[in-house]
Amino acid sequence: GAVVSQHPSWVICKSGTSVKIECRSLDFQATTMFWYRQFPKQSLMLMATSNEGSKATYEQGVEKDKFLINHASLTLSTLTVTSAHPEDSSFYICSASGSQEAKNIQYFGAGTRLSVL
Amino acid sequence: GQSLEQPSEVTAVEGAIVQINCTYQTSGFYGLSWYQQHDGGAPTFLSYNALDGLEETGRFSSFLSRSDSYGYLLLQELQMKDSASYFCAVENGGFKTIFGAGTRLFVKA
Repeated sequence: GAVVSQHPSWVICKSGTSVKIECRSLDFQATTMFWYRQFPKQSLMLMATSNEGSKATYEQGVEKDKFLINHASLTLSTLTVTSAHPEDSSFYICSASGSQEAKNIQYFGAGTRLSVL
Repeated sequence: GQSLEQPSEVTAVEGAIVQINCTYQTSGFYGLSWYQQHDGGAPTFLSYNALDGLEETGRFSSFLSRSDSYGYLLLQELQMKDSASYFCAVENGGFKTIFGAGTRLFVKA
């Protein structure tokens, strides 16, 4: 099956610093990667969609200068939370699609729990 | 607007059968997916329906009626480990999938 690795799984940082989260598809080339944010006991909120080699498409209300997304290759996408503040504390999850076996399925990383002090 | 409606919570006992419904209203429709998420974990794919009818995968089955904009996930022979949140999601084209708010399933002994 398709595997997506997300790193780090947990990060604590000081307010004002930047945090980079990596998302890798390990055994398939991901034509599209998605970044979600999830608050406790709530649904997945799509932040942005990225395709390899092109700029990410951000959802309404998501600051593109705040949440920088880079999709440098077919197996790697990164999300950088710039100048993090306590309100950015959340669970961030990436997913990837494009597996030859099932192009319509999203495979999720394990998520990154971000705590900003 | 685009929306998916599913119950917020469902409680059932071990060994029982439970059905989680999902109705959707989206600008496009390519397929309906179901994902399971345990607390603190990542969503995992359960099933996908692009055409009307029932898809069966072990204890889990998923149904779709495109004319009714409706689908459901059926879980049989419930086990304690099935306690989790279940999300329906619509692939509406444009590389985007829209998720419902999720249904928390509590399985009791």
